[in-house]
Amino acid sequence: NAGVMQNPRHLVRRRGQEARLRCSPMKGHSHVYWYRQLPEEGLKFMVYLQKENIIDESGMPKERFSAEFPKEGPSILRIQQVVRGDSAAYFCASSPGPWDTQYFGPGTRLTVL
Amino acid sequence: DAKTTQPNSMESNEEEPVHLPCNHSTISGTDYIHWYRQLPSQGPEYVIHGLTSNVNNRMASLAIAEDRKSSTLILHRATLRDAAVYYCILIEGRQGAQKLVFGQGTRLTINP
Repeated sequence: NAGVMQNPRHLVRRRGQEARLRCSPMKGHSHVYWYRQLPEEGLKFMVYLQKENIIDESGMPKERFSAEFPKEGPSILRIQQVVRGDSAAYFCASSPGPWDTQYFGPGTRLTVL
Repeated sequence: DAKTTQPNSMESNEEEPVHLPCNHSTISGTDYIHWYRQLPSQGPEYVIHGLTSNVNNRMASLAIAEDRKSSTLILHRATLRDAAVYYCILIEGRQGAQKLVFGQGTRLTINP
């Protein structure tokens, strides 16, 4: 049983470029959550998605950030025109249902030069 | 904002029990108490959860106070691999808003 998979594990971008982070949930899980962990800080919720729907995006920055979870394929967190402050670890979690335990992936560590 | 309070850090010795406290004085009747931990350079890992009764699993035990305003995560015999940041989290009780609100957690150090 493969766990939550995230790729890439490390991503380096220059200021102004786009970053695409992918998350493949565990088999049978249709709920995906994205969290961000800034250096030396705790994890902060960003967005909660089900297949083809955004359920809660209350933690997403208003600009440059977007997320999707299409019917087929992984969930994507997209950051346009990255800035140095976007450098962080981005974690994805999945669960079979909205009230079930969330299982986390290993994270993508984004570095913006 | 997280609705739990935990000590910033704790230290213990290998093979000894560890009791990690958490205060949640504003807990509501339907809030579950969840514990996650984050090992260095890894994603958070589910440890245990409960509502009212004490709970046991292969990783740990969870002791919940009778008034539910506090709980304690118990590692029965700590190993070096248990060194991590431990988060006590109340699950928000609204349909469609099941997001985890992480506080600062307790950084647990295990001495060999």
